[in-house]
Amino acid sequence: DTAVSQTPKYLVTQMGNDKSIKCEQNLGHDTMYWYKQDSKKFLKIMFSYNNKELIINETVPNRFSPKSPDKAHLNLHINSLELGDSAVYFCASSQGQGRANTIYFGEGSWLTVV
Amino acid sequence: DAKTTQPNSMESNEEEPVHLPCNHSTISGTDYIHWYRQLPSQGPEYVIHGLTSNVNNRMASLAIAEDRKSSTLILHRATLRDAAVYYCILRGTKAAGNKLTFGGGTRVLVKP
Repeated sequence: DTAVSQTPKYLVTQMGNDKSIKCEQNLGHDTMYWYKQDSKKFLKIMFSYNNKELIINETVPNRFSPKSPDKAHLNLHINSLELGDSAVYFCASSQGQGRANTIYFGEGSWLTVV
Repeated sequence: DAKTTQPNSMESNEEEPVHLPCNHSTISGTDYIHWYRQLPSQGPEYVIHGLTSNVNNRMASLAIAEDRKSSTLILHRATLRDAAVYYCILRGTKAAGNKLTFGGGTRVLVKP
């Protein structure tokens, strides 16, 4: 059983399209995250949700909109895709937001915008 | 967020120990020291974390300096599967959501 699963794993799409990446965790965690890893391999947090409520929203363009229908799911919708959105997007989860808590990551979704 | 400094890369021979240093001179008293690693084409994976005392688990050991301004991740017997980028991260500041902020990490190469 995959603890944090993301779909799709690979996505190639044209500029201007709208796409979604889905994430589900079966760990019973109450906190979920989206991270972006760009071509230079730096991992940056984008969003964090706790019990379906947004708690971290980094300086991400409004074209990115996370949606958490329940504690086990955090989907990422991207409008009007741009070339610079090409990256690997990682979903993650943890129980609580404490400093000592472990964060579990999914395997990533490779997005290529052409 | 307090910053960490790690060497860009390190090489090791298979079945030998690997000592990965991390400097964090601006660490605050409540920051936890976390280590994650990222194998090629995979998501980051938790390795170990600690606050003040040295820590051991099945994957590695974490040695924390007495002044907490540096730490060392120890892989006791490197295998080819341990080839990855290892990230040393300080986690704290509840006002910032206790974010896990990744730096550049250390790329570990394991030679057979």
